[in-house]
Amino acid sequence: ILNVEQSPQSLHVQEGDSTNFTCSFPSSNFYALHWYRWETAKSPEALFVMTLNGDEKKKGRISATLNTKEGYSYLYIKGSQPEDSATYLCAFRVGSNYQLIWGAGTKLIIKP
Amino acid sequence: DAGVIQSPRHEVTEMGQEVTLRCKPISGHDYLFWYRQTMMRGLELLIYFNNNVPIDDSGMPEDRFSAKMPNASFSTLKIQPSEPRDSAVYFCASLEGSEAGNTIYFGEGSWLTVV
Repeated sequence: ILNVEQSPQSLHVQEGDSTNFTCSFPSSNFYALHWYRWETAKSPEALFVMTLNGDEKKKGRISATLNTKEGYSYLYIKGSQPEDSATYLCAFRVGSNYQLIWGAGTKLIIKP
Repeated sequence: DAGVIQSPRHEVTEMGQEVTLRCKPISGHDYLFWYRQTMMRGLELLIYFNNNVPIDDSGMPEDRFSAKMPNASFSTLKIQPSEPRDSAVYFCASLEGSEAGNTIYFGEGSWLTVV
């Protein structure tokens, strides 16, 4: 059974601090890894699609790394702001079909 | 670009009633996905279409659920008859092309409550 795990489940961070969390996925049959940011009542916002081992991507204060050999990806947020509060979801794409396997998400709460 | 548009945003219906959820994908996108989000099961893929043709409907829970895509700009997900356990957020998403690095774009979801 393919499983994607995200840790921690939730995270409280002081405004201004930097933080990171993890997405673990199967290291076989890797095709792509997606990161999304989701605020309740809004559409999940695509952050990154990562396809190559060693990929590092950045979008403003948010960045991500990918290790397909050991099956993990880290998401980093530098200098957290209240607007970063959201649930961060990762999804593992198996082969070229579109059955994305989703993690349960990391709920990030930024304390002012 | 208007993004993926879903309607209704919220629906409350009584058990046994028919529910129809609608989706307009991003223009030019050739893949369309229907997902269901629940607290217990997270995000589940129900069905996806490529060029209006259903490709994989293995995630559709049972015969009460059906989905159609009559043209490139419109899809429906129908539940008949609805049951309280169908209460969830239903997301539609679309994608252009099949390359690994392409992004799947989501709508804002249809929040369904069956009482």
